[in-house]
Order: sequence, then C-alpha cells, then structure tokens
Amino acid sequence: DAMVIQNPRYQVTQFGKPVTLSCSQTLNHNVMYWYQQKSSQAPKLLFHYYDKDFNNEADTPDNFQSRRPNTSFCFLDIRSPGLGDAAMYLCATSRDRDRRIYEQYFGPGTRLTVT
Amino acid sequence: AQSVTQLDSHVSVSEGTPVLLRCNYSSSYSPSLFWYVQHPNKGLQLLLKYTSAATLVKGINGFEAEFKKSETSFHLTKPSAHMSDAAEYFCVVSDDLDNQGGKLIFGQGTELSVKP
Repeated sequence: DAMVIQNPRYQVTQFGKPVTLSCSQTLNHNVMYWYQQKSSQAPKLLFHYYDKDFNNEADTPDNFQSRRPNTSFCFLDIRSPGLGDAAMYLCATSRDRDRRIYEQYFGPGTRLTVT
Repeated sequence: AQSVTQLDSHVSVSEGTPVLLRCNYSSSYSPSLFWYVQHPNKGLQLLLKYTSAATLVKGINGFEAEFKKSETSFHLTKPSAHMSDAAEYFCVVSDDLDNQGGKLIFGQGTELSVKP
C-alpha cells in the first residue's frame, strides 16, 4: 500500500544533542510537510517542500532545518534540542497540481523526548 | 484569511448514540474543507473532504459532513457511535496560496469520548 513512513516512531535525545527524524513516502507526491504537535494542540506547520523548493514558516525557529534529497525522502534536523522541543513530529505529503490544494496524507509521527 | 473554529473542545456520547462535532469556517472564497481523526500517539487520518462538489460528503467509518455555505458550517456526524470512534477530531480548511504548496488551517480539535 502507498503510504507515508516515519522513523523512528519514538526518539529520545539529550538536551543540546542534534537529532534527525526521517520521513519517506511511496505516494510519489510532490509536496512534503513537517509539523510539530504538542500535547492537546493542533499540528503546527514548520516548513514544506514543493518539489525541491523549500518554504519556511515565518515563526519556525532556526534550530529546525530540513533536507529533501529526492522525491521520496525528507528529513527534519533539530540542531540543538531544548526541553520545549519535546513533541510529536508529523510528516505529511500531498500532490499539488495547478495550484489546487489536495488533501494531505500523514505519517504515524515520531514522538521526541528531550532529557 | 482562512480560519476554522471547532465549537466544542470535548464531546461525550454513549455507544450507539449519534455523534455531532461542530465546525464553522471563515473563507473569502469557496474553500476546501476536511475532517481528520487522530487516535492517541498516531498520525492524522483523513475522514472526508469537501471540494465544491456535493454538499453532503460521506467519509470512512460511517461519518459524513454537510457543507452549508449560508451558515459557514461543516459539521461532522455519525448516526451511531462506536467505542473505536474515541479520538481527537480536527476540522481543517485549505489555504490556496499563490505561491508554491498549500497550507492546512487546523481547528483547535474536539476530543470525542464514547461511553459503554
């Protein structure tokens, strides 16, 4: 089945120690998104890639970076995690053609704990 | 700017009774609207979507929603709740941007509890 895969599902890192979360998709969608979701809140968009073009949200901290080496993979790098970065990180994909917005398909998420 | 308001942060129903989760939206043009469900420690799953076709939209697991432009509402309903429906539900509107990519604007979420 076509899907969005996130690894690992649970990640524990130390305060200030860089961490990378990964996302892959078999849907062949051209747009990929990273969201941060804290407890009892709606997901918050961090950034997205439209093909290879990177689009950062204005309020996304510089501590968060992303890479998309090819259509299928996208990575979220947190350069120096703080306690406030503990959250669920969701990857999503969509196909965007002719500027029409299609629904987004979400992965299962990675739960990040910072100790 | 697009926005969406979920009128209830928490809804509790008994198993076998109807479910109503309320959502109002604000949009300057005909929007695309979605309902997503999120079970604990899981990703979001698309329940249904409205994209300017039929105003009554049927989704998965027996859910449906009706787009009412005059009331700017997109309420989610299900005739008979099941224990497995207990989850967080998000009403979402898409923001068709002029630049690349699309954004989803999320409501605050409604937690649905189902009592035996």
